[in-house]
Amino acid sequence: QAVVTQEPSLTVSPGGTVTLTCGSNTGPVTSGHSPLWLQQKPGQAPRTFISNTNIKHSWTPARFSGSLLGGKAALTLSGAQPEDEAEYYCLVSYSGAHVFGGGTKLTVL
Amino acid sequence: QVQLVQSGAEVKKAGASVRVSCQTSGYSFTTFYIHWVRHVPGQGLQWLGRINPYSGGAESPQRFQGRVTMTRDTSLNTAYMDLDRLSSDDTGVYYCATGTASPFDFWGQGTLVTVSS
Repeated sequence: QAVVTQEPSLTVSPGGTVTLTCGSNTGPVTSGHSPLWLQQKPGQAPRTFISNTNIKHSWTPARFSGSLLGGKAALTLSGAQPEDEAEYYCLVSYSGAHVFGGGTKLTVL
Repeated sequence: QVQLVQSGAEVKKAGASVRVSCQTSGYSFTTFYIHWVRHVPGQGLQWLGRINPYSGGAESPQRFQGRVTMTRDTSLNTAYMDLDRLSSDDTGVYYCATGTASPFDFWGQGTLVTVSS
């Protein structure tokens, strides 16, 4: 089974910018993998913020954006807020099978 | 609006089975796959598989094949996930999810499954 990798943890200052990445051991992540980004806070269900590489949902704050960067999927947060502190997971799709990354714990400090 | 409401928390003995239900509303049940995901402490999110509510066909990753069974009742707009031969490693929160624009737009509230030895 494919393995999807993310940074275990990142820290960003309030108002700062941070980029989380999502790689695959099978090769470059492309739009064909329909990469997806979810936010999860303790005790809450995950919320999908970005679908299909860069499509935002109606509930996605404008400060979040998705892209492809250097063979990986990327989630960029510009203007971090304290409420953005959470675990972020990416999901990569392989011909109908879905694999989550290990998650990135984002601290806003 | 789309809603997924899951069954309540379960406590099971090791070796037993558990069934989690996911009742949907606000959309046409047979149109979109229902996915099952779990959050195991220390292991992050894991995809357990998906079911096509129209055909009843289901798929799951190899590591869960033979242990996970996904079914649905179209008359109740409800999907079910059975997990057999439980161990303490299966303790976690189980979610159902579906989507219109993408597979995981909407999530259930989660069901805590606790496995005791």
